[in-house]
Amino acid sequence: DVQMTQSPSSLSASVGDRVTITCRASQDIRNDLGWYQQKPGRAPKRLIYAASTLQSGVPSRFTGSGSGTEFTLTISSLQPEDFATYYCLQHHSYPPWTFGQGTKVEIK
Amino acid sequence: EVQLVQSGAEVKKPGESLRISCKGSGYSFTNYWIGWVRQMPGKGLEWMGIIYPADSDTRYSPSFQGQVTISADKSISTAYLQWSSLNASDTAMYYCARHDSDVYPFDYWGQGTLVTVSS
Repeated sequence: DVQMTQSPSSLSASVGDRVTITCRASQDIRNDLGWYQQKPGRAPKRLIYAASTLQSGVPSRFTGSGSGTEFTLTISSLQPEDFATYYCLQHHSYPPWTFGQGTKVEIK
Repeated sequence: EVQLVQSGAEVKKPGESLRISCKGSGYSFTNYWIGWVRQMPGKGLEWMGIIYPADSDTRYSPSFQGQVTISADKSISTAYLQWSSLNASDTAMYYCARHDSDVYPFDYWGQGTLVTVSS
């Protein structure tokens, strides 16, 4: 199985801050990675697919980058509605596809 | 508009069986993979498996193989997740989600079905 290590597990940030979340894969997964945002009591929402392609309708302050084994999600200027938990998902080899452990972004 | 509408919350006793559903609309249900994701209380997301409704090709995570059954009825655009014998550790929110036309996972999600297993 491909293991995904996501970091940090949580972070505190202020509105306007730049935030970076990282996922590392245990083996080369090319660009077969997506990023998802989940707010409490809600279903997840896809932000990024193919490592760096922005989902239609998602604000451009969200950027995905990386390939191979290291990937990042960057929020260039954190907005109040961005406080949520973020997950990466690798879909290079399965079964199973694997989610990262999640990063909870909280208000400082 | 693409929609995935899941069946309502369930409360079951250990040992009981259960089938929850996910009905797709607004797109050609047959031709898009649909997956299931588990989220235990206060925990992260876990990929359970996926199915291609056109031919019922199904792939399971080893963690869930033999524990659940994923199926689909393309005539009514509905995917299912089924247990033959529930236990307390199956208590969780379960989401269905669709792959997009380029087979990137989970562009649309259902609202979730909460399953509670308690004696």
